[in-house]
Amino acid sequence: QKEVEQNSGPLSVPEGAIASLNCTYSDRVSQSFFWYRQYSGKSPELIMSIYSNGDKEDGRFTAQLNKASQYVSLLIRDSQPSDSATYLCAVKGDDGYALNFGKGTSLLVTP
Amino acid sequence: DTGVSQDPRHKITKRGQNVTFRCDPISEHNRLYWYRQTLGQGPEFLTYFQNEAQLEKSRLLSDRFSAERPKGSFSTLEIQRTEQGDSAMYLCASSHDFGAAQNTEAFFGQGTRLTVV
Repeated sequence: QKEVEQNSGPLSVPEGAIASLNCTYSDRVSQSFFWYRQYSGKSPELIMSIYSNGDKEDGRFTAQLNKASQYVSLLIRDSQPSDSATYLCAVKGDDGYALNFGKGTSLLVTP
Repeated sequence: DTGVSQDPRHKITKRGQNVTFRCDPISEHNRLYWYRQTLGQGPEFLTYFQNEAQLEKSRLLSDRFSAERPKGSFSTLEIQRTEQGDSAMYLCASSHDFGAAQNTEAFFGQGTRLTVV
């Protein structure tokens, strides 16, 4: 069973702060990693993808990948109340086509 | 709009009835996925198509579930003899195959919320 683990939260941060979301995965041969944002009652929206060790920045978002530690994270700088949502970590292994999702971390950004 | 489109958005059905959902992927996306999501959980993989070929199915997928993608365009997901446990959001996603194992960014449709009463 390929596990993707996330702290369910809620993670509460004040507006303007950095939100740090973490994800670990069990399949050592995983190659592709994604972060999705999901507002309540809506479908997941892709915000970041990362494939190589290190950091990848896109606007206020930074994804960090450490394959040796089987760990991927998402940093949100200058958090806004509109960032309040559930953040889903998704991992794709080297075999198969499915994305395996974690249960998501609920983020609350307070004004 | 060129996003993934799902129909219907909501479906209420009586237990034992059959239901069918449709997904229209982003144009030229040859990969199509079906997922199911229940409250408080992440999306659970159901099945995957590359063009018209169904290449992967979840081992957890009941025989009551069947999916098709004729001509490699839109896809349908049918649930026969629905049960209350089938109540969930059914999500369709599509991606483009660039020929590499990586780079499989998948984009989701709005989902179909199924309620079995």
